[in-house]
Amino acid sequence: AAGVIQSPRHLIKEKRETATLKCYPIPRHDTVYWYQQGPGQDPQFLISFYEKMQSDKGSIPDRFSAQQFSDYHSELNMSSLELGDSALYFCASSLNTDTQYFGPGTRLTVL
Amino acid sequence: EDQVTQSPEALRLQEGESSSLNCSYTVSGLRGLFWYRQDPGKGPEFLFTLYSAGEEKEKERLKATLTKKESFLHITAPKPEDSATYLCAVQAANTGNQFYFGTGTSLTVIP
Repeated sequence: AAGVIQSPRHLIKEKRETATLKCYPIPRHDTVYWYQQGPGQDPQFLISFYEKMQSDKGSIPDRFSAQQFSDYHSELNMSSLELGDSALYFCASSLNTDTQYFGPGTRLTVL
Repeated sequence: EDQVTQSPEALRLQEGESSSLNCSYTVSGLRGLFWYRQDPGKGPEFLFTLYSAGEEKEKERLKATLTKKESFLHITAPKPEDSATYLCAVQAANTGNQFYFGTGTSLTVIP
């Protein structure tokens, strides 16, 4: 069965640079979620989109923005990167806001 | 304030030694409780969804149960390949689609 696809899998950036993470949800899923997971921590909810509209907002910094496109893929844009932004970023998708299925994650390292 | 607490934080079992992981929650209007397995550096892998007290679900050596205040993940005769971090997440009626994760239980099964 098709799973959530994330790209890139690894990303290395310098401080103050910009990064864009992409997420391709499971086909026919209508909701996309973004999470940040620091070392040894649980996933922290950032933002979600339902049918291409922002539906919930969590602890997403103002430096970050996200959107969902007409083909349902989503992008997380991160600007003015800080060392503390280094983490695993997960995208998840669901149908009708039910069970969330997670992608493999993007490991972002900020130097 | 909504809260999800998992215990123990870490658990070491001998192969074949059955045990249970606990997830306690305090949310208003539970919509669903979700169990995930996460291997290091990978995305959470969906295991079970429970919606109402008294519900039980099984998959191979795992069985999840739900009461009004907590959920248990029972592991019967574990094998080394069951070693992972097990995450519990809840979705509440008054907080939209957000998942609130516990900090997880790190399970190590020793051959």
